[in-house]
Amino acid sequence: DQQVKQNSPSLSVQEGRISILNCDYTNSMFDYFLWYKKYPAEGPTFLISISSIKDKNEDGRFTVFLNKSAKHLSLHIVPSQPGDSAVYFCAASETSYDKVIFGPGTSLSVIP
Amino acid sequence: GAVVSQHPSWVICKSGTSVKIECRSLDFQATTMFWYRQFPKQSLMLMATSNEGSKATYEQGVEKDKFLINHASLTLSTLTVTSAHPEDSSFYICSAETHGTETQYFGPGTRLLVL
Repeated sequence: DQQVKQNSPSLSVQEGRISILNCDYTNSMFDYFLWYKKYPAEGPTFLISISSIKDKNEDGRFTVFLNKSAKHLSLHIVPSQPGDSAVYFCAASETSYDKVIFGPGTSLSVIP
Repeated sequence: GAVVSQHPSWVICKSGTSVKIECRSLDFQATTMFWYRQFPKQSLMLMATSNEGSKATYEQGVEKDKFLINHASLTLSTLTVTSAHPEDSSFYICSAETHGTETQYFGPGTRLLVL
């Protein structure tokens, strides 16, 4: 069974508006969460992360929110830009390990 | 559904030996499988893309004679690290997707330690 879930395979957003990508996980041992962005024919690149001691981490236009009790996190991109169009992967790991478990990804299209 | 497994999850080997890692899609047919090398809590480096029944496409800088990839069926791809050296020690992760989708399902990874 998938430990990291991204239930929306795709999302379309108008340029300048907010993009919200959601992620749910089942393993309560996860305490470090990451978002990766992937363009076609390339490997996923690291975008932003958050540890379980925080509920929010912000980096420029990207903000990640973590709700541990709900085992849910989300990535907010504001304002969205056409160059943000990519597949976004949510990932999680346990502190003791480097191994990262990935969700299936959400394809974001930002429409000019 | 949509589970990808890797075997083994851990392998320790001596320098100079070869190691084979299997990637299987358990409940769907994977027309394309990807092999990545993962650096701790950083981006994944795409090594190669393999389509069932054809030769793998390797990324620039990845030695195809060292990292042999075989995608023999729609549910199995293998990565063989030949003549492994300590610098090959890393996490190797595969992912699989079905033709026509951008959804990739990642395996749990294989940690390789070369002594």
